[in-house]
Amino acid sequence: GQNIDQPTEMTATEGAIVQINCTYQTSGFNGLFWYQQHAGEAPTFLSYNVLDGLEEKGRFSSFLSRSKGYSYLLLKELQMKDSASYLCAVRALTGGGNKLTFGTGTQLKVEL
Amino acid sequence: DARVTQTPRDKVTEMGQEVTMRCQPILGHNTVFWYRQTMMQGLELLAYFRNRAPLDDSGMPKDRFSAEMPDATLATLKIQPSEPRDSAVYFCASGFPPQGNTEAFFGQGTRLTVV
Repeated sequence: GQNIDQPTEMTATEGAIVQINCTYQTSGFNGLFWYQQHAGEAPTFLSYNVLDGLEEKGRFSSFLSRSKGYSYLLLKELQMKDSASYLCAVRALTGGGNKLTFGTGTQLKVEL
Repeated sequence: DARVTQTPRDKVTEMGQEVTMRCQPILGHNTVFWYRQTMMQGLELLAYFRNRAPLDDSGMPKDRFSAEMPDATLATLKIQPSEPRDSAVYFCASGFPPQGNTEAFFGQGTRLTVV
């Protein structure tokens, strides 16, 4: 099976930097995704890592260490609109397909 | 603009009634997922398909839930009979076309309320 852990809640200040961590245990690892979900909406894709290292995309960066089963999402220059739930998801090759399992999400609150 | 389409957007039904939720995945995506989201449990994987074949439905209560893909443009999730504890938002997602490692795209969800 798969086990994905991330903090339940975080609070940060507008303009600051926040790092959201995710640890996972899985067999057949085939990539890690971060999604953003605003209240009442569907999750939307933010980033994807399959190799170790840092992927940067504008104000968002994501890091992966496969040996440690660890990833983080880094959000810079926080804006009020970044208040949302951030979901870590692990893709695993299993039974002939790619299974995508999500953590329970980290609710980020950005304050003035 | 390719998107995953789910119907209905909202459904209120009485306990014991059958509920059918529909999903049209993005053309060319060979993997389709059904998730259920509640405040307590987060986003739970119920079932998923690859090339229309069911690969894993271990997250689904088998006695009342069933998922099918009658063709490449339609996936269905049925609950019969429905119970109040089934109240949740049900998301369909499609992704992972054979030619690339892209992300999974989500539909807007079906908000189910069983009274």
